[in-house]
Amino acid sequence: DGGITQSPKYLFRKEGQNVTLSCEQNLNHDAMYWYRQDPGQGLRLIYYSQIVNDFQKGDIAEGYSVSREKKESFPLTVTSAQKNPTAFYLCASSLNTPYNQPQHFGDGTRLSIL
Amino acid sequence: EDKVVQSPLSLVVHEGDTVTLNCSYEVTNFRSLLWYKQEKKAPTFLFMLTSSGIEKKSGRLSSILDKKELFSILNITATQTGDSAVYLCAVEAGSGYALNFGKGTSLLVTP
Repeated sequence: DGGITQSPKYLFRKEGQNVTLSCEQNLNHDAMYWYRQDPGQGLRLIYYSQIVNDFQKGDIAEGYSVSREKKESFPLTVTSAQKNPTAFYLCASSLNTPYNQPQHFGDGTRLSIL
Repeated sequence: EDKVVQSPLSLVVHEGDTVTLNCSYEVTNFRSLLWYKQEKKAPTFLFMLTSSGIEKKSGRLSSILDKKELFSILNITATQTGDSAVYLCAVEAGSGYALNFGKGTSLLVTP
């Protein structure tokens, strides 16, 4: 089945530790995105990538890093510089063309501090 | 700064009721408005609206966009308990592809 797979579903981070969240899609989508969702808040954009080997910062990129070495994969690293990482992280993907294509989401990773 | 505002933030209705969810926006270079339904995990896509006045419909759900007044509504008729979810409105604007989301409307349908 085509879709977006995020792993793990739950992740715990210790102080000073970097952790990496995985996002893989087999929809042949060009663009991929990472959002963060906090309780009572809308989704906020962390990073996005429209093509392989290129990505742009979103509204809340500080303390996060990404790579886009393959079309199918867009991992997100939450670094120790991110002081409040507890949140629900959602990965999405979309086609770039034809114009105006909806984003589709994975099931998310819930990250907590130990 | 781009802004998307949803109202109400939460709503409790009885099964069979009709509900209207609102989304207003202030963005530069509007491209599209999207509605998603989120039940604990992945938001699932409902509608994408790009043109004013054209209603999109899927079963008991429908949505319409007013680009002059900068808002959209999502209607759900004959609500069922399975409609209980957070409904997210998002706007695509500017030159990028990323979405600006509202805070969502939490809908609870009671039996």
